[in-house]
Amino acid sequence: DQQVKQNSPSLSVQEGRISILNCDYTNSMFDYFLWYKKYPAEGPTFLISISSIKDKNEDGRFTVFLNKSAKHLSLHIVPSQPGDSAVYFCAALAGGSNYQLIWGAGTKLIIKP
Amino acid sequence: DGGITQSPKYLFRKEGQNVTLSCEQNLNHDAMYWYRQDPGQGLRLIYYSQIVNDFQKGDIAEGYSVSREKKESFPLTVTSAQKNPTAFYLCASSVGFDRANYGYTFGSGTRLTVV
Repeated sequence: DQQVKQNSPSLSVQEGRISILNCDYTNSMFDYFLWYKKYPAEGPTFLISISSIKDKNEDGRFTVFLNKSAKHLSLHIVPSQPGDSAVYFCAALAGGSNYQLIWGAGTKLIIKP
Repeated sequence: DGGITQSPKYLFRKEGQNVTLSCEQNLNHDAMYWYRQDPGQGLRLIYYSQIVNDFQKGDIAEGYSVSREKKESFPLTVTSAQKNPTAFYLCASSVGFDRANYGYTFGSGTRLTVV
C-alpha cells in the first residue's frame, strides 16, 4: 500500500515559468514532509521541508504548500531554471519514535529552454 | 567536511558471487539506511539500522545482508541469492532524535552491474 503518492511520473515546463510538483499521502499520522532532488547517478539532496503545523514554507525559488484536510502537498519552483531538471521525491515522516521516511516514487521534471 | 561516503562508485559482479558495498559516515548520525533504485522507479528500502548492533529488514531485504558493528559504518552485502541485483544502490544516514531538523543525508551511490 503506497502511503505517499506522486502520480505524475514526469512533468515538462518552459524555462522561466512555474513548476508545480504534487504529492498525496494517505496516513494521517504523517507530521513532517520533505522534498528531495536527485540528479542521475547521484544521491538525492534535501530541498525543503514542512511541518504539519504549517501550511506553507518558502526558501528562495522553492515553496512547499501543505493541505492537511486534502492530505496533499505541492512544491512550487518559480522561476524554473534548466538546473532544476531532475527527479523530485516527496517523503513523509510519521509521529512517534520511528524516524523512517516514507518515499514517493518521484517525478521527473524537465525544464525546456 | 562531514558526509557520507559510498564505495566503489561502479561495481561489476559475476553471477553467483557475493559483493559488499561500503557506506561510511562521519556525521555522528544514529540511523543508517540502504536503498535500491531501478530505472524509472523510486527508492525501495532494503535494510535500516537505528543503533549500533541492531538492524531491521526493509521492503526488499531478500538476498541482502548488512552489519552495524560501528556507528560510522553500514556495509551491504549483495548475495548470490539476490536474483536481480543490477541496480543503483544508495546509502543514507539521519539524526535519530531531532525532528525539527530531520532529514536524510545520502551518499553518491554505487552502480552494481551483474556480468
